[in-house]
Amino acid sequence: DQQVKQNSPSLSVQEGRISILNCDYTNSMFDYFLWYKKYPAEGPTFLISISSIKDKNEDGRFTVFLNKSAKHLSLHIVPSQPGDSAVYFCAASPTGTASKLTFGTGTRLQVTL
Amino acid sequence: NAGVTQTPKFQVLKTGQSMTLQCAQDMNHNSMYWYRQDPGMGLRLIYYSASEGTTDKGEVPNGYNVSRLNKREFSLRLESAAPSQTSVYFCASSPRGVHYGYTFGSGTRLTVV
Repeated sequence: DQQVKQNSPSLSVQEGRISILNCDYTNSMFDYFLWYKKYPAEGPTFLISISSIKDKNEDGRFTVFLNKSAKHLSLHIVPSQPGDSAVYFCAASPTGTASKLTFGTGTRLQVTL
Repeated sequence: NAGVTQTPKFQVLKTGQSMTLQCAQDMNHNSMYWYRQDPGMGLRLIYYSASEGTTDKGEVPNGYNVSRLNKREFSLRLESAAPSQTSVYFCASSPRGVHYGYTFGSGTRLTVV
């Protein structure tokens, strides 16, 4: 039972254009969401997060949008750069100090020149 | 800052052999986690330790045991390795809960033949 789903295994975008990565979740108890970026042979690194009390959070070129009614979130990267080429994981959790993250299956982003 | 250190980075085991994956963090984090990453499956939680002295099962605990040796160290043991345990294993830590994100180690690539 995949509670966090990333239905696009891969995405290719031209440098300078917008990259949009999508994530859907099924657990209504999830109220905190994060995106992680992973390069080959490295561990995932935290990118950006959003709480369910917000519908948007920005950090430089990265913006995460949350649609609670649709149980959907998306990560926008503008403008995309070759160094953004990586696997992106969406993760979710209920709030709480003992909470733990449930990850999606990942989307491989390729930014081409 | 070393962050989260995992050893070894690579290991090949024969079916039935045992081994312990080591993880240590130097950030004074309370919570530590073990995940495995498999193609098409994302990151799945094996075990976690919310604080020193406590451990709990995650999504896929069968075939594994853990020890929270002290606040810094959290080890994962395979008592009798099986080919289904071929995977990349990631250790992570967080201050407490999910709101600060997790810091991941660089992973251990384990092959069971």
